[in-house]
Parts: sequence; structure tokens; C-alpha cells
Amino acid sequence: ETGVTQTPRHLVMGMTNKKSLKCEQHLGHNAMYWYKQSAKKPLELMFVYNFKEQTENNSVPSRFSPECPNSSHLFLHLHTLQPEDSALYLCASSDRGSGELFFGEGSRLTVL
Amino acid sequence: SQQGEEDPQALSIQEGENATMNCSYKTSINNLQWYRQNSGRGLVHLILIRSNEREKHSGRLRVTLDTSKKSSSLLITASRAADTASYFCATVNSGNTPLVFGKGTRLSVIA
Repeated sequence: ETGVTQTPRHLVMGMTNKKSLKCEQHLGHNAMYWYKQSAKKPLELMFVYNFKEQTENNSVPSRFSPECPNSSHLFLHLHTLQPEDSALYLCASSDRGSGELFFGEGSRLTVL
Repeated sequence: SQQGEEDPQALSIQEGENATMNCSYKTSINNLQWYRQNSGRGLVHLILIRSNEREKHSGRLRVTLDTSKKSSSLLITASRAADTASYFCATVNSGNTPLVFGKGTRLSVIA
């Protein structure tokens, strides 16, 4: 148990659906991250939030919409996704001073 | 890019043997970190080594850092079947930009 909880663990959706991934951290950290992990590719940093403010957006398509209502919760809203968006989406948090990331178990997304 | 590049991509060894994985990076760093990932799960932090450190130990793990060569190695001694996983290095530069990971090394330890 890393202190970072992601739900759902598995999600199957059609290209026209709207769904959301949720991440919650119980570590008192002030930074939260979304990473995408596709087969045979490096982990891709998608978004970073520091103290609820978005500080990084790595040219992610607008069909992915993050939301950070407070420093403990992070959402990734999904809309009109493509099959190539199927991947493991990993949430992480950190105390910016340490640099060490604590990851959730991931949400396995399949887009049909 | 800060991306770490692990080498080899895959490694298969017998239980009890030592496993060595290498990581190279491109720019100056604040620290370098190693993570482990079991199949389909999240990443778990193993060890952090700062730019002014040359070697660090944690249990059966030994990490070295050579900033002149921009490289690091992770040694797992007396490997066990439970060490089977993917191992990633990641770096943090002096501006504390978020970690960027490589593709990892897939380690298989055969009992």
C-alpha cells in the first residue's frame, strides 16, 4: 500500500463515452502527476499539479482533461478517446522537496 | 531530454546470481532514482542517489553514480524469483522538473 489509490483499476469504454479516472493520496504531498504507460514505450508524463495548480502539460490532446480540486485528489476526465489511448494510466504524488514519487496501482484503460 | 536509458532491455538470470542494470542520461542532474514495477502494477521507489554521492546501498541493492559519464548502475545481489520485474531509472535536474523515465529493464529471475 503506497498511500496513493486509483479507481477504477480497469475501465473499458467506447470512443464516444465520457469517463473519469480518480486518484487520491493520503500522504500529505503537494504535487500530483498523471503518467501514461503504453506497451513498449517509456512512461509518458502527461500532467503535473503543484498545490492544485497545473504546472506541466506535455502536449496532451484535449480529449484528456485533468482536474485537481485539492492537493489530495486528482482526476483525469476522458472524452471521445481513440483506441491508441488504451494504456495503463498511473497517478503519482510527491513532496516536491524529496523528488521521490509514490505511485498508485494504475487504471488499465481499454478503448474499443 | 532528461530521459534515462536503461541497458539491457531484458535480462534473464538464475536465482542466486547477481543482476546488473545500467542507466545513461543526458544532462546535469540533482538526483537519480531507481524504481521497480511488477507486471501491470504501479511503480515502487527503490533508491535515490544524489549527484554528490557515488554509491548507495539498501539491503541487496547497490547503486552507483558516475556523473562524469552520466551513468548509473543498479546491482541486485543474490537474486530471488520475487525480484522478477521491470526496473526503471529516472532523473531530476537542478530545476526539479518532474521525473522522466526510460523504457526500463525487464529482469527475469529463474528459480
